[in-house]
Amino acid sequence: KQEVTQIPAALSVPEGENLVLNCSFTDSAIYNLQWFRQDPGKGLTSLLLIQSSQREQTSGRLNASLDKSSGRSTLYIAASQPGDSATYLCAVKGASGGSYIPTFGRGTSLIVHP
Amino acid sequence: GAGVSQSPSNKVTEKGKDVELRCDPISGHTALYWYRQSLGQGLEFLIYFQGNSAPDKSGLPSDRFSAERTGGSVSTLTIQRTQQEDSAVYLCASSWGLARETQYFGPGTRLLVL
Repeated sequence: KQEVTQIPAALSVPEGENLVLNCSFTDSAIYNLQWFRQDPGKGLTSLLLIQSSQREQTSGRLNASLDKSSGRSTLYIAASQPGDSATYLCAVKGASGGSYIPTFGRGTSLIVHP
Repeated sequence: GAGVSQSPSNKVTEKGKDVELRCDPISGHTALYWYRQSLGQGLEFLIYFQGNSAPDKSGLPSDRFSAERTGGSVSTLTIQRTQQEDSAVYLCASSWGLARETQYFGPGTRLLVL
């Protein structure tokens, strides 16, 4: 059974810092890994999707990497801003057993203070 | 175009009542997922639909939960004889396919069972 772990669970930083959020998974047979942000009381917003054949994806100040063999992904946020404050979730879509059920981590709660 | 919409946004009900939650996916998306997010818990998969295939119901927690998708578009999640432990945010997501495509989430329905 796929297990997804996100470290740290919470993070509080001053504005302007570069951040690394970590996601690890136990089964490397995956279709893709997707990073989301969730604002309080809201649904999930997709940030980046990395296919199993890819090593990284970039969007603006965000860069996500994937090392499938070691079961790890990192989300790098450059020059953090207060508007980046949210919970960041990673989800792994497994390719074992003919199922297409994503497994989500518990998230990293990020606060960026001015 | 319009994103995924869900209704109602909030629902308060009494224990033992039935509730129906609705999800309107992005037009043309063939895959539709339902998840549950409880306070302090991660996202829990409930069920997914893909086109005309039989849904994967493996995540439904009990036979009080059911879902249908009419005409390959709108989906309804029904919870019969609600219990207090059913209180959670119910999230719907849609995508072009099951395996490699980005999931787009709705804002969720917040269910409170008194």
